[in-house]
Amino acid sequence: AQSVAQPEDQVNVAEGNPLTVKCTYSVSGNPYLFWYVQYPNRGLQFLLKYITGDNLVKGSYGFEAEFNKSQTSFHLKKPSALVSDSALYFCAVRPLGNRDDKIIFGKGTRLHILP
Amino acid sequence: DSGVTQTPKHLITATGQRVTLRCSPRSGDLSVYWYQQSLDQGLQFLIQYYNGEERAKGNILERFSAQQFPDLHSELNLSSLELGDSALYFCASSVGSGRVNEQFFGPGTRLTVL
Repeated sequence: AQSVAQPEDQVNVAEGNPLTVKCTYSVSGNPYLFWYVQYPNRGLQFLLKYITGDNLVKGSYGFEAEFNKSQTSFHLKKPSALVSDSALYFCAVRPLGNRDDKIIFGKGTRLHILP
Repeated sequence: DSGVTQTPKHLITATGQRVTLRCSPRSGDLSVYWYQQSLDQGLQFLIQYYNGEERAKGNILERFSAQQFPDLHSELNLSSLELGDSALYFCASSVGSGRVNEQFFGPGTRLTVL
């Protein structure tokens, strides 16, 4: 079965430190990969996506993600965390060749940036 | 503000009832997606419409149905409601039919079934 895993329910990082939110996937073929962020009482907001090309993708608010095909991972990173980065982060995968175009979301990782 | 609007913001109803949630996509977006977010199930894709036609179906119950109208707004109908249907329901839209397009999410409708 096709799936997306975010192995950490919660990640705590001190302000100013680098952060990583992990995402691995299991799909057939090459997928399109997305990261979304959800702030309290808000809908999800698009951060970045990998479609093709350079494995390092830069997105909104200083976030970036690295596509690693051999490890089937798409970890979200930021060099220096801000308290305002505290939110719920979702990895999403859209498998190529998926006839019915379903997008699969991970369960989310809650990021706490400690002042 | 994503440009996607959803009404109502909150809805409280009783078991067995029927409700309709409404979504207006961003201007120019042809695809509308519906999601259910609950604490135990996470974010579940329900259904997608593209330019008025059903495009993809996810974990949508038979008690639920949706449609997209000629003006591209969409409605999600939930009937014979159960306590377990209490959740946050999101609508999202995208420009195209979707694989490469990011989605823009509305603020959600919080449904409480008593």
